[in-house]
Formats: sequence, structure tokens, C-alpha cells
Amino acid sequence: EAQVTQNPRYLITVTGKKLTVTCSQNMNHEYMSWYRQDPGLGLRQIYYSMNVEVTDKGDVPEGYKVSRKEKRNFPLILESPSPNQTSLYFCASTATGVSTDTQYFGPGTRLTVL
Amino acid sequence: AQKVTQAQTEISVVEKEDVTLDCVYETRDTTYYLFWYKQPPSGELVFLIRRNSFDEQNEISGRYSWNFQKSTSSFNFTITASQVVDSAVYFCALSEPYNAGNMLTFGGGTRLMVKP
Repeated sequence: EAQVTQNPRYLITVTGKKLTVTCSQNMNHEYMSWYRQDPGLGLRQIYYSMNVEVTDKGDVPEGYKVSRKEKRNFPLILESPSPNQTSLYFCASTATGVSTDTQYFGPGTRLTVL
Repeated sequence: AQKVTQAQTEISVVEKEDVTLDCVYETRDTTYYLFWYKQPPSGELVFLIRRNSFDEQNEISGRYSWNFQKSTSSFNFTITASQVVDSAVYFCALSEPYNAGNMLTFGGGTRLMVKP
């Protein structure tokens, strides 16, 4: 089954404790991205990757890092999480980076930073 | 810069009523793509429709229909004979082909509550 998976689905952590949210897709998609969802703001893009070893900032990249060492995986790293990073995070992928492609979203990761 | 506005933050209807969710967008491009996503209480995002700017035909899929009007920069979504299972947050989104990173610009979402 074609899908985007994220782990963990729920995470409660404390300020400053490094964490990684994993994202994996099995569709051989070139393009992957991360979004965060906050009430009233919809989803905003954090980082994206056009292909292996190619990443770039989205709309709200501060406080986040990403890497793309393999095509299928695109982890989101919070080196020193802060309470304002409490949010619902979505990973997405498309076949290419062309805007005609539909983005397929993972199930979401709900992060709480205390 | 592109922008998507969903002015209705919450709508409450009784089952079987028709309901329209509004979406107004701003873009400087003549070519762009519009999307609707559904987010049920379980939290995942479900793709509903994609429409390109050159196709202004309205679309119907079962109880769902979409009205795209370029003249008013709107892409409204109507649910006919609403059901409790339609309760969700609905997002309208815009994508521009020359926007690096294939970034989707989302509206703030409309929470629809359908009561039995």
C-alpha cells in the first residue's frame, strides 16, 4: 500500500531535549516536505527536499533541521525544542517537485514541548 | 505573495442540511492550482480535489461539489445533504508552479460540525 508514515504519532518532551520525528514514503517520490499545523494558521511549510541531499527552507524553518540521505526518508530534527514548537506536524511527499503533483500526507505527529 | 482565506472558522449545521465552505485566494500568477483537504477528528489529511486555474468547470462528486470562480478568486466547496461523518476541518490550499519547493499555501481551515 502506497503511504507516508511518521513516527512517533504522539510525543511529549521537555524544553531543550533533542528529538527526531521520522518520515518515510514507499512510493519512490523525489519530493518530500514537512509542515506544521497550528490553530487558525492552517499548515505552514518548514522544510522541503527536491531529492536526495537537496533540502531547502520553507516558510517557518527556524528551530528545525532536516536531512535527506535516502530517497524514502526525511527526518525532522529539533535540536533544542521550545514550547512554541508544540504543534501538529505533517510530512508529505509527491512524485516530483512540480506543483501539478498532489501531495500525499502522513498521519501527523502531535508534539508537546513542556 | 499568495494567500488563502477561509473566513468561516466554524460552521454548525444539522444533518441533511446543505453547507458551503468559502475559500478566497490571492495570487499574482495566471497559472496556479487549488486544492481542498479534509481533516477528520482522527487528524489525518485527506485529499479531496485539485483544480488548475484554466479549468473553471464546476465539479461534482457525489454529495460534494466545487464552484471555481476566477472573477472573484473563489473556490467554494458545497456539501449537499450533510452527514455526521462530514464533521471535520476542511482546508483550502493554493500552489503556484513557479513557487520553489512546491509549497502549498493553506487557509486557516473551517471546522464543520454536523449534528444529528
